[in-house]
Amino acid sequence: KQEVTQIPAALSVPEGENLVLNCSFTDSAIYNLQWFRQDPGKGLTSLLLIQSSQREQTSGRLNASLDKSSGRSTLYIAASQPGDSATYLCAVNRDDKIIFGKGTRLHILP
Amino acid sequence: NAGVMQNPRHLVRRRGQEARLRCSPMKGHSHVYWYRQLPEEGLKFMVYLQKENIIDESGMPKERFSAEFPKEGPSILRIQQVVRGDSAAYFCASSPLGRDYGYTFGSGTRLTVV
Repeated sequence: KQEVTQIPAALSVPEGENLVLNCSFTDSAIYNLQWFRQDPGKGLTSLLLIQSSQREQTSGRLNASLDKSSGRSTLYIAASQPGDSATYLCAVNRDDKIIFGKGTRLHILP
Repeated sequence: NAGVMQNPRHLVRRRGQEARLRCSPMKGHSHVYWYRQLPEEGLKFMVYLQKENIIDESGMPKERFSAEFPKEGPSILRIQQVVRGDSAAYFCASSPLGRDYGYTFGSGTRLTVV
């Protein structure tokens, strides 16, 4: 059974810092991995999608890496801003459904 | 492209009533997924549907919950005889044909059972 773990559960950093969010999964036979952002009381916004054959994807200040063999992914956020404050969710796609981690609640201090 | 549309955004039901949640996938997307998010919990898979077919309902409670995706119209998640424990945010996602594509989520329906 696929399990997805995100560490840390919560993180507070001063504005301008670079930071890394971690995601691990137990079954490496995945199709792809997707990072989402969720603001309080809102839906999910897709940030990055990494196919199983890829090692990383970049979008603006965000960079996500994937190491299937070790069951790990990281989301790197450069030059953090208060608007980055949200919950970040990692989700792995296997058997045509995606399994979510519980997320990392990120708070950027102005 | 209006994205994945869910309605209503908020729904209040008394215990014992029925709740109907609707989801219209993105244009061109033939796969629909329903997820439930309980307070302080992660998102849990409920059901995966294609037009007129339930592909995987392994996450659906055995009783009171049902889902459909008819040939015409939106996907419906139906909860009969709601109880307080059904209070949650219910999210719908859609995806194009094929597993190489990511999922696009709607804004969710927040169900409150009083």
